Amino acid sequence: AQSVTQPDIHITVSEGASLELRCNYSYGATPYLFWYVQSPGQGLQLLLKYFSGDTLVQGIKGFEAEFKRSQSSFNLRKPSVHWSDAAEYFCAVGAPATGRRALTFGSGTRLQVQP
Amino acid sequence: DVKVTQSSRYLVKRTGEKVFLECVQDMDHENMFWYRQDPGLGLRLIYFSYDVKMKEKGDIPEGYSVSREKKERFSLILESASTNQTSMYLCASTTDLSGANVLTFGAGSRLTVL
Repeated sequence: AQSVTQPDIHITVSEGASLELRCNYSYGATPYLFWYVQSPGQGLQLLLKYFSGDTLVQGIKGFEAEFKRSQSSFNLRKPSVHWSDAAEYFCAVGAPATGRRALTFGSGTRLQVQP
Repeated sequence: DVKVTQSSRYLVKRTGEKVFLECVQDMDHENMFWYRQDPGLGLRLIYFSYDVKMKEKGDIPEGYSVSREKKERFSLILESASTNQTSMYLCASTTDLSGANVLTFGAGSRLTVL
């Protein structure tokens, strides 16, 4: 069965600094990959997704992610973090070849932004 | 604008009570989901529904049931609430189950069972 690992439970960065959130997955084929963000008191919002093609994908709010097949990773990056980026970030995997029809989510990374 | 609405944002119930969590979507989506969100555990799938009256168990269905009598509405039922069901519950919907399904989420229902 597929699985998703987000190794960092909590990350703190200074405003204006760069950010990288890690996501590793376990799946035998190329999965569908997603990053969602949950701001305080809100539901999850899609940041970006990867299905195929160019391995560097752009999302909303200045975020990007890179699919690296050799490392089974889909790390999320932002060159300059804003205070409004403080939120919880979830990586998710879709793996239809397994017969599973719903996404599998990671445990999340909580981002704190220092002024 | 696309919407998934969870009618109760905060609920406090007592052990043994029957609890209904309601979710309504206005996007004519066939597929609806209930996830449970706990710190350090992320989102775990409880149940999903792929059509009216059709449902499938997720990863943690024990202690829960669901009802989908109309396409737009998906209810999560706790027959006899227990303290270990204190959690945030998230409803979501999508057009397809291809695995490439972009989910639209509601704002969540935070349940406390005393």
